[in-house]
Amino acid sequence: AQSVTQLDSQVPVFEEAPVELRCNYSSSVSVYLFWYVQYPNQGLQLLLKYLSGSTLVKGINGFEAEFNKSQTSFHLRKPSVHISDTAEYFCAVSDRKGSARQLTFGSGTQLTVLP
Amino acid sequence: DTGVSQDPRHKITKRGQNVTFRCDPISEHNRLYWYRQTLGQGPEFLTYFQNEAQLEKSRLLSDRFSAERPKGSFSTLEIQRTEQGDSAMYLCASSLPRTDMNTEAFFGQGTRLTVV
Repeated sequence: AQSVTQLDSQVPVFEEAPVELRCNYSSSVSVYLFWYVQYPNQGLQLLLKYLSGSTLVKGINGFEAEFNKSQTSFHLRKPSVHISDTAEYFCAVSDRKGSARQLTFGSGTQLTVLP
Repeated sequence: DTGVSQDPRHKITKRGQNVTFRCDPISEHNRLYWYRQTLGQGPEFLTYFQNEAQLEKSRLLSDRFSAERPKGSFSTLEIQRTEQGDSAMYLCASSLPRTDMNTEAFFGQGTRLTVV
């Protein structure tokens, strides 16, 4: 079984400032890691994913994340945020070996970008 | 639009009524998932289909819930005798056949259910 902890439920930040959204996971098996974004009353859109290889992964909209195996973390970063980045962000994992590959999500972090 | 399509987008129903939601996945995707998302929480896995076969069900999927994917294309999720605790966003996702690289699930916009 896996679990995901997003340490901050709300992150307010001023426009053009950098931001980091924290994610830690727990799993007894090897996992894939994902960040999804959700705008109000919408489904989820994939920002980026870590499958293997380089621990620094780059995604859409200028976001990047770093996989740290020893700390079981996968924090999301952006060097300069825009108003349009205001949304809910979800970290998720899936079992590499499982047949279903269903996602286990954290409880989300609401990013609010202030003018 | 070739994304995952869900219908209806919103449903308000009285407690005790039955409701059915539909999901049309991306056409070449053989894997289909249903998730439930309550307010302030991340989505929780409900069930998974590979083609027409329902291969996994979460313990969250009580006896009042049933999902089908009769021809391996669209899927339906039915909730019988709805309760107020069923109020949530129901999300459908689909993905390509399993390989080490095909890991991304594409989500629909969801059906928001309100039980009054």
